Amino acid sequence: EDQVTQSPEALRLQEGESSSLNCSYTVSGLRGLFWYRQDPGKGPEFLFTLYSAGEEKEKERLKATLTKKESFLHITAPKPEDSATYLCAVPHPIIQGAQKLVFGQGTRLTINP
Amino acid sequence: ETGVTQSPTHLIKTRGQQVTLRCSSQSGHNTVSWYQQALGQGPQFIFQYYREEENGRGNFPPRFSGLQFPNYSSELNVNALELDDSALYLCASSLRTSGQETQYFGPGTRLLVL
Repeated sequence: EDQVTQSPEALRLQEGESSSLNCSYTVSGLRGLFWYRQDPGKGPEFLFTLYSAGEEKEKERLKATLTKKESFLHITAPKPEDSATYLCAVPHPIIQGAQKLVFGQGTRLTINP
Repeated sequence: ETGVTQSPTHLIKTRGQQVTLRCSSQSGHNTVSWYQQALGQGPQFIFQYYREEENGRGNFPPRFSGLQFPNYSSELNVNALELDDSALYLCASSLRTSGQETQYFGPGTRLLVL
């Protein structure tokens, strides 16, 4: 079964202090990797999909990158509103044409003003 | 906003009772997936429906069942509730095509079993 591991479990930064979150995966064949943001008590909000090693995507202060074994979510000059849990997930086939998402446990990010 | 809605937002039940959770998919989406998320964990796949048929199931017992309707809305039913069923239940809708599909999540239903 595909496995996804995120680190660190929790990260506390000062406003403006840049850092990176890690998502490592073990899959039989990479079919993409998804990043979501989740605020407390709410559903995950889609951020990015990456499909191949070397691919990068950016959105505001976030940049996601992908290698053959892991993905990084880089956050540059974060603001308090970036505080959330960040989840990564890989698609796993269930039957032909159908897939489920296998999630990591998430990284809880707190940005202090 | 994803256009995926869920009801109710919160629910309290007692052990042994039955519960039905509802999900309305994003317009144009033909696939709905349900996930269970325990506190501090990532979501765990329960099952998926496509064109009103169950497409796949995670490691959940048969007392977890579901339906998808012609308008692509969906229900998750849980019988004989147990304390460990307390969690955030998420539905996600997507459009299945020949390529990759992105799952968009609703706000979730928080279930507490006492």
